[in-house]
Amino acid sequence: QVRLQQSGPGLVKPWQTLSLTCAISGDSVSTDSAAWNWIRQSSSRGLEWLGVTYYRSKWFNDYATSLESRITISPDTSKNKMSLHLNSVTPEDTAVYYCARESRSAFDYWGQGTLAIVSS
Amino acid sequence: QSALSQPASVSGSPGQSITISCTGSSSDVGGYNYVSWYQQHPGKVPKLMIRDVSSRPSGVSNRFSGSKSGNTASLTISGLQPEDEADYFCSSYTSSSTRYVFGTGTKVTVL
Repeated sequence: QVRLQQSGPGLVKPWQTLSLTCAISGDSVSTDSAAWNWIRQSSSRGLEWLGVTYYRSKWFNDYATSLESRITISPDTSKNKMSLHLNSVTPEDTAVYYCARESRSAFDYWGQGTLAIVSS
Repeated sequence: QSALSQPASVSGSPGQSITISCTGSSSDVGGYNYVSWYQQHPGKVPKLMIRDVSSRPSGVSNRFSGSKSGNTASLTISGLQPEDEADYFCSSYTSSSTRYVFGTGTKVTVL
């Protein structure tokens, strides 16, 4: 059974970096049959896809164009996890952040969600 | 990239069937058979209900079915039950500025 366990601070100051981690069990971050995504949800923006990291003989990343200047998603193969870093955050980045496994173009396993509030 | 359009709310009585629409464009829903549907109860994590337009993952009730025509996908819930009351979101792969786009969400109420 695949399980995704998120961790990271729930409160971030404006213009600082939001950093979250997603620990994977029951699968490998290096698998060539899935991809590992970050998605966020807020009442103002709904569900929003942020980016993905995946391994297909080498590592690939893809980010939402609106965020690509501020976002980094990176795998950690030694700990079987992935991380999200979103810098220069503003109150508009306040949302529940989810990591999710993408398999056959659908998100079949989700982390428990982390409410990240941007406030001074 | 604009969100896929869904009705804000749909309601039905127990045992009835309801259908939720999800309208996009030829760059997403109409261009790929990669439409999925998610159920989300309040305060809970989204759950995958339909993938690849009409395929049900293992463990999902056969009361849930999906289809697509042109740029519009649909989720039908037959034999509506009280536990079906939740928010439902569609998602599609897209060739535009973001890999995936989600729908605006539909609140299903069981009367």
